[in-house]
Amino acid sequence: GENVEQHPSTLSVQEGDSAVIKCTYSDSASNYFPWYKQELGKRPQLIIDIRSNVGEKKDQRIAVTLNKTAKHFSLHITETQPEDSAVYFCAASISQGGSEKLVFGKGMKLTVNP
Amino acid sequence: GAVVSQHPSWVICKSGTSVKIECRSLDFQATTMFWYRQFPKQSLMLMATSNEGSKATYEQGVEKDKFLINHASLTLSTLTVTSAHPEDSSFYICSAMKGLQPQHFGDGTRLSIL
Repeated sequence: GENVEQHPSTLSVQEGDSAVIKCTYSDSASNYFPWYKQELGKRPQLIIDIRSNVGEKKDQRIAVTLNKTAKHFSLHITETQPEDSAVYFCAASISQGGSEKLVFGKGMKLTVNP
Repeated sequence: GAVVSQHPSWVICKSGTSVKIECRSLDFQATTMFWYRQFPKQSLMLMATSNEGSKATYEQGVEKDKFLINHASLTLSTLTVTSAHPEDSSFYICSAMKGLQPQHFGDGTRLSIL
């Protein structure tokens, strides 16, 4: 089955710096890659997603890139702010019975120091 | 839009009791709902996929008789942890999606079995 690896597991940056989170996946049939942000004790929230027919997507300070050949995708956060501190999960989808089943990476704890 | 409500948010009960958790999509009809389990500082592990009116599809290693899932309508799915024991203590999160739209998560239920 699909396996999603995420690294680093923790990252600490100074406010204003950029942060990059990298993920790899194993199943070449995966075609949808969302990123979720989870604050302590709260629900995961979708922050950006990308489908395999595009290589890059940007939304203000957040961008995601996808390299299907290498089977890896990355999240880039620019001009980080303390409120960006959270755990970030990447995921890859497998189509199953008309719906998309997500396989999550282990998560990365981002700390943005003021 | 895309609001998912999960109830209760916190449950403490004695070993041997059964606990029911509800997941509702408030402003859309969910073709598929998912149930996840999350241990502290770990990733989301998919337990089962639930489609309205049909039996849930359980992930390998998840006991069907232990974790009963009912998806009676397009807006409601329930997870019942039967004869709960301390090792069942965890954070349970549901998500809902319509077609191939992104998954949206509930707030989660923290289950503590004494």
